[in-house]
Amino acid sequence: GAVVSQHPSWVICKSGTSVKIECRSLDFQATTMFWYRQFPKQSLMLMATSNEGSKATYEQGVEKDKFLINHASLTLSTLTVTSAHPEDSSFYICSARSVAKNIQYFGAGTRLSVL
Amino acid sequence: AQKVTQAQTEISVVEKEDVTLDCVYETRDTTYYLFWYKQPPSGELVFLIRRNSFDEQNEISGRYSWNFQKSTSSFNFTITASQVVDSAVYFCALGGDYKLSFGAGTTVTVRA
Repeated sequence: GAVVSQHPSWVICKSGTSVKIECRSLDFQATTMFWYRQFPKQSLMLMATSNEGSKATYEQGVEKDKFLINHASLTLSTLTVTSAHPEDSSFYICSARSVAKNIQYFGAGTRLSVL
Repeated sequence: AQKVTQAQTEISVVEKEDVTLDCVYETRDTTYYLFWYKQPPSGELVFLIRRNSFDEQNEISGRYSWNFQKSTSSFNFTITASQVVDSAVYFCALGGDYKLSFGAGTTVTVRA
């Protein structure tokens, strides 16, 4: 089946630093990728839709200057959490949409802990 | 607006029991897709099934089966003869061409 790779799987950083998370679709081209945030024992909350070659579309309440998204190629989208603070600690999950199958395939997630 | 309701927060069963997860959805779209994903403790969401709104046939895949009833806006999921490896959080999701709306998830615990 389709595979989406997400790195790193776990990151610990100091408050004020920036963290970049990568999401790659390994066996299909993804013009659209999605970034989600998940709090413990809660559902996935869509943060933004990442479109290849254009600006990301952010959901209401998500700070675009805080969560920078770049989708420079058909197989790679990155999420950068800028000036991270403890409240940004969370589980971030990306997905890539297979146009052919109309299915979102998910990465393994990144657990971010900001000290 | 689209909404997915998974009323069961947690279900605990003994191995080999059947377990049914309920999913009720709301949408104004005439064409839509329904999904089930499994999230084991490792965190990755595993795709299980996609069903489009025009296909009301029930589906069986091994020990998994799905019952789609458009008249009641439900897309229920049954695990037959559950196993410990089935322990996970299961999410039902509703989508059109792009975004997915997820339910709150149902945590299934299968005890040996």
